[in-house]
Amino acid sequence: QKEVEQNSGPLSVPEGAIASLNCTYSDRVSQSFFWYRQYSGKSPELIMSIYSNGDKEDGRFTAQLNKASQYVSLLIRDSQPSDSATYLCAVRGGGFKTIFGAGTRLFVKA
Amino acid sequence: ETGVTQSPTHLIKTRGQQVTLRCSSQSGHNTVSWYQQALGQGPQFIFQYYREEENGRGNFPPRFSGLQFPNYSSELNVNALELDDSALYLCASSFSTGTGTYEQYFGPGTRLTVT
Repeated sequence: QKEVEQNSGPLSVPEGAIASLNCTYSDRVSQSFFWYRQYSGKSPELIMSIYSNGDKEDGRFTAQLNKASQYVSLLIRDSQPSDSATYLCAVRGGGFKTIFGAGTRLFVKA
Repeated sequence: ETGVTQSPTHLIKTRGQQVTLRCSSQSGHNTVSWYQQALGQGPQFIFQYYREEENGRGNFPPRFSGLQFPNYSSELNVNALELDDSALYLCASSFSTGTGTYEQYFGPGTRLTVT
């Protein structure tokens, strides 16, 4: 079992729709959770961080965390073609090591 | 832009050679982490430097080594390069206390090709 798992996609949604990206993790002591966006040929860009159970909203983005289910998700409302990218889920445990998933490719159709 | 810089942008080396990659952290940050990202994969944690010492390491052999300098900039050194070392090498800057590290911000990366 991979430590951080994501559906590789591609996930295709029409412009204006909600894109839902999911991530599960195996280490129950994980404390910090991050979503990064990575455009082709570029480095990852931090979108959201979330540390406690529940929802955290920032503009069109909402991160959701459920530690009991070891599940974290990212919702993108009003998806735009410019949101087309690979979305990386990252999880940090009690130490300083951050584990990334392989990413989900999102394609927003105009 | 995150304020994290890396050099060089691209590099081509021959198998068996040694390489040094450099990273300057964002202002106010005291921690640098290095990652290796192969094509189609997520970044793999190599190690992290805090207060000029390595305080976390992933599953990479000892030929991957690093340094952090008093100004918090860092170097990644890879000896005896192998073809599988070809990847995007990412530096991430963050602020740490003695008990944890906050959000990490990535530099643009160095694309290493080993032939």
